[in-house]
Amino acid sequence: DIQLTQSPSFLSASVGDRVTITCRASQAISSYVAWYQQKPGKAPKLLIYAASTLQSGVPSRFSGSGSRTEFSLTISSLQPEDFATYYCQQLNSYPQMTFGQGTKVEI
Amino acid sequence: EVQLVESGGGLVQPGGSLRLSCVASGFTVTTKYMRWARQAPGKGLEWVSFISSGGATYYADSVKGRFTISRDNSRNTLSLQMNSLRAEDTAVYYCARDLAVADAQGYGMDVWGQGTTVTVSS
Repeated sequence: DIQLTQSPSFLSASVGDRVTITCRASQAISSYVAWYQQKPGKAPKLLIYAASTLQSGVPSRFSGSGSRTEFSLTISSLQPEDFATYYCQQLNSYPQMTFGQGTKVEI
Repeated sequence: EVQLVESGGGLVQPGGSLRLSCVASGFTVTTKYMRWARQAPGKGLEWVSFISSGGATYYADSVKGRFTISRDNSRNTLSLQMNSLRAEDTAVYYCARDLAVADAQGYGMDVWGQGTTVTVSS
């Protein structure tokens, strides 16, 4: 099974900061990587798919990049509503999939 | 409006059964790839089960042989029958729709329900 490791697990930041979350895969995978945002008590929200494609309706301050074993999610200027937990997901073995353990972004 | 609404969660004893339902609106479940995912208290996300538009089903190893995913075309509903429940099945269960891009799959889940809570405890 492909394992995903996110870093950091916890991130403290301020409004306006540039924030980058990294997701490393245990083996080389294609660009079938997605990123989600989850707020407490809510369902996850798809932000990025195919490693770098912004989902419809998601603000352009979110961006994704990466290939093979290392992928990243960047928030160019952190907004108050961005404080949440972020998960990466690999779909290389679709329809099976795995998620990273999550990165909590706090003030 | 595209929406998924789950129901059926609750408290069940170990070894018991529960059936979750997910009513879709704004699209037809039989034309999409659908799945169930779960999140244990304070933990991350875990994929549970999947059904393709053609009816092919897949299960995570942790639930294989105990859970069954199905669809009810007349009610536009996705279901998850959960048998032989264990304490480690305690979680919020989400139904979700797989995102299709130019009729291709493997891009994540673009529509999620609000979740239904399953607690397995004596």
